[in-house]
Amino acid sequence: SQQGEEDPQALSIQEGENATMNCSYKTSINNLQWYRQNSGRGLVHLILIRSNEREKHSGRLRVTLDTSKKSSSLLITASRAADTASYFCATDGGATNKLIFGTGTLLAVQP
Amino acid sequence: DTEVTQTPKHLVMGMTNKKSLKCEQHMGHRAMYWYKQKAKKPPELMFVYSYEKLSINESVPSRFSPECPNSSLLNLHLHALQPEDSALYLCASSQEWSGYEQYFGPGTRLTVT
Repeated sequence: SQQGEEDPQALSIQEGENATMNCSYKTSINNLQWYRQNSGRGLVHLILIRSNEREKHSGRLRVTLDTSKKSSSLLITASRAADTASYFCATDGGATNKLIFGTGTLLAVQP
Repeated sequence: DTEVTQTPKHLVMGMTNKKSLKCEQHMGHRAMYWYKQKAKKPPELMFVYSYEKLSINESVPSRFSPECPNSSLLNLHLHALQPEDSALYLCASSQEWSGYEQYFGPGTRLTVT
């Protein structure tokens, strides 16, 4: 399977703390994206990082990409209860250009 | 308008029924997608339409039949489904196929009885 693996599967933190999620993938990519999904709802795009980029920021989000290790991390700083959701990485690459989602991390931010 | 709409929100159907899911976007996106998502699993790609032409069919059973009537609309026709087809069906669109962020609709929660 080309599916990426995310670590940890679940993460519980207090409001104000930082949350870090990791994603590992298997094949070469054109870009890697992170999405958030609130329970049972549609996905929301957070950030896209291209294969020639190493780090990207968007508000309280920081994404890193290490193509040599085939891994990425998402850091959410100063977390809020509203950040409680599932977070998925998704890789875009290969001959078919399909978006392949990772297994996801379930983040719970306690108020 | 950065919204993808999906109807209905919930659908319960028997195994002999025929129903359709509808998806609409008005962002001028040229690629549209259907995904299936089971509980606590990531979305799985079913179909990709690019410029209103079917570009990818991920070996989806023929009881699922996609249709793209125009650049803004995407339908998924359902017939003779099985209980294991119960899932959240997500529609998405992007500016072009590959290399762009995807905008997702809220999904249709399908239950097959």
